[in-house]
Amino acid sequence: AQKVTQAQTEISVVEKEDVTLDCVYETRDTTYYLFWYKQPPSGELVFLIRRNSFDEQNEISGRYSWNFQKSTSSFNFTITASQVVDSAVYFCALNLSGNQFYFGTGTSLTVIP
Amino acid sequence: DTAVSQTPKYLVTQMGNDKSIKCEQNLGHDTMYWYKQDSKKFLKIMFSYNNKELIINETVPNRFSPKSPDKAHLNLHINSLELGDSAVYFCASSLYRDSSGNTIYFGEGSWLTVV
Repeated sequence: AQKVTQAQTEISVVEKEDVTLDCVYETRDTTYYLFWYKQPPSGELVFLIRRNSFDEQNEISGRYSWNFQKSTSSFNFTITASQVVDSAVYFCALNLSGNQFYFGTGTSLTVIP
Repeated sequence: DTAVSQTPKYLVTQMGNDKSIKCEQNLGHDTMYWYKQDSKKFLKIMFSYNNKELIINETVPNRFSPKSPDKAHLNLHINSLELGDSAVYFCASSLYRDSSGNTIYFGEGSWLTVV
């Protein structure tokens, strides 16, 4: 069963627009962690953020912000004033007990100059 | 210094050959992984080792065999390569805890092309 759903397969925005990448997860565990990773065209997978299930406070890091809502089982990622360098595939992931990781299928973001 | 390094980065080989991809991490992590990413970008775990012990072994062909000489190294050997093995293989590592909360750090990937 799909535990992490990233419904947006591809998104294109014009530079300086804001864009939100959706992530919906599924678990019955009360303790879990959520992650976002970025995969730029060069191919490496870069860790962006980790959030535990007990901390629903939104987080902002520069132009990046994350909105965690347990009520809707969502952990969405917003890029403000997008730049060409933001073009990448973004993966949301769910970590349950131990080393069980479930990755979404990724959202490919293209920022057009 | 690269935290998780894997070699080679690019590998083009013929069907039927045997090849290995090496991985090393200098993060002091206990757990290492191999993930496969196909052409559609799907990330699928293949193996996970904790302190040289196999803890996750997903359904992959027997032609794939991981080897962990120590907790800082996890190599992937592939026998009798097939066209369908063409993919990007990512090595990764994390601290090991029974509970959740481990951040996985990935290597740069090894692009395998079987012709």
